Amino acid sequence: GEDVEQSLFLSVREGDSSVINCTYTDSSSTYLYWYKQEPGAGLQLLTYIFSNMDMKQDQRLTVLLNKKDKHLSLRIADTQTGDSAIYFCAESSSGGSYIPTFGRGTSLIVHP
Amino acid sequence: DGGITQSPKYLFRKEGQNVTLSCEQNLNHDAMYWYRQDPGQGLRLIYYSQIVNDFQKGDIAEGYSVSREKKESFPLTVTSAQKNPTAFYLCASSFDRNTEAFFGQGTRLTVV
Repeated sequence: GEDVEQSLFLSVREGDSSVINCTYTDSSSTYLYWYKQEPGAGLQLLTYIFSNMDMKQDQRLTVLLNKKDKHLSLRIADTQTGDSAIYFCAESSSGGSYIPTFGRGTSLIVHP
Repeated sequence: DGGITQSPKYLFRKEGQNVTLSCEQNLNHDAMYWYRQDPGQGLRLIYYSQIVNDFQKGDIAEGYSVSREKKESFPLTVTSAQKNPTAFYLCASSFDRNTEAFFGQGTRLTVV
């Protein structure tokens, strides 16, 4: 079955760039997503990338996809304290009936 | 405004009781999902429905039941057979099974 792995914690200083990494196992993954979860809240879709793309940029967010290594990353430029949250990587594929499968989430802590 | 609404935000249940969590969406989405979130474990799929009057078990369906009588509604019942029901429950919907999922704000269920 599908598996999505993320490191559990990342700590950065305000103003620095953050890079959150994710690996997945399903080579038929069609869509890859990044979600943000603030304490006690639901998940907010930040961005997504199709598997036929290498990169997607949206303001401070840059997503890089290395399909050969099944590696996805989310870079947040000029990280702010308001970016502190849990970030989830997710993938959907034909092998999983396109049901989103999530990683365990990376807790991003931004220090002033 | 269009969106997905979960209620209540907090729910307390006595051991041995069934309890139903509400999930409503006005996004005209065909697919709806229920996930359970436990600390450090990410999101695990309980049930999903890709069309009205049809639903499928996810990875951890035991002790749960759902119905999909209307497109807008996908309630989840946590039965007394669920041995460890205390968790944060998230409902999501997507236009179809191959598009991004949008989440409600979650229901925190506590067994007392």
